[in-house]
Amino acid sequence: NAGVTQTPKFQVLKTGQSMTLQCAQDMNHEYMSWYRQDPGMGLRLIHYSVGAGITDQGEVPNGYNVSRSTTEDFPLRLLSAAPSQTSVYFCASSWTVQETQYFGPGTRLLVL
Amino acid sequence: AQTVTQSQPEMSVQEAETVTLSCTYDTSENNYYLFWYKQPPSRQMILVIRQEAYKQQNATENRFSVNFQKAAKSFSLKISDSQLGDTAMYFCAFMKLNSGGGADGLTFGKGTHLIIQP
Repeated sequence: NAGVTQTPKFQVLKTGQSMTLQCAQDMNHEYMSWYRQDPGMGLRLIHYSVGAGITDQGEVPNGYNVSRSTTEDFPLRLLSAAPSQTSVYFCASSWTVQETQYFGPGTRLLVL
Repeated sequence: AQTVTQSQPEMSVQEAETVTLSCTYDTSENNYYLFWYKQPPSRQMILVIRQEAYKQQNATENRFSVNFQKAAKSFSLKISDSQLGDTAMYFCAFMKLNSGGGADGLTFGKGTHLIIQP
């Protein structure tokens, strides 16, 4: 099992550009989520999904879109990147939301 | 909204010593889980230990144990016989359980940078 994978590892964007951060898991987990980590801060929840076709907002959803068309994939979209979105992004998954969440290796995003 | 506070930004101890990391949380909920995650320089988030609020017994995982004081809303992590590989950021996290059986995800503290000196 690969666990939770994220691509790319590192990305530089210009303000206003769009991109998609990819997240995939091969553990058949129903629950998937996206967090961002800023310097000196813990992780903050952006969006989450309790199953294919179901998504909901977390603590800091503005500027991000998600969709969940399959159990395995949960991409995070930035429609118009802003410097405030410079951060490290983590994807996590678990069997259910109450179960232990397994984190991906993170994507470091720099918006200029 | 729930808040998680880690009052020690950084701690440093000698190898083989015992160290305790503190965490307090603020909630009016009765059903929740608490977690400690470790983040080494690789940035990978690794679960250290988990505690269900309804369980009175403190969770233990090898050298790691917690002191869960529900009334005081305190959840400290004790690392015994500390090793160089324990050097990392440690995050305390809270998960509120909803009445329907779901939850809203994890709320993290700002972390404690633990340095184990040789």
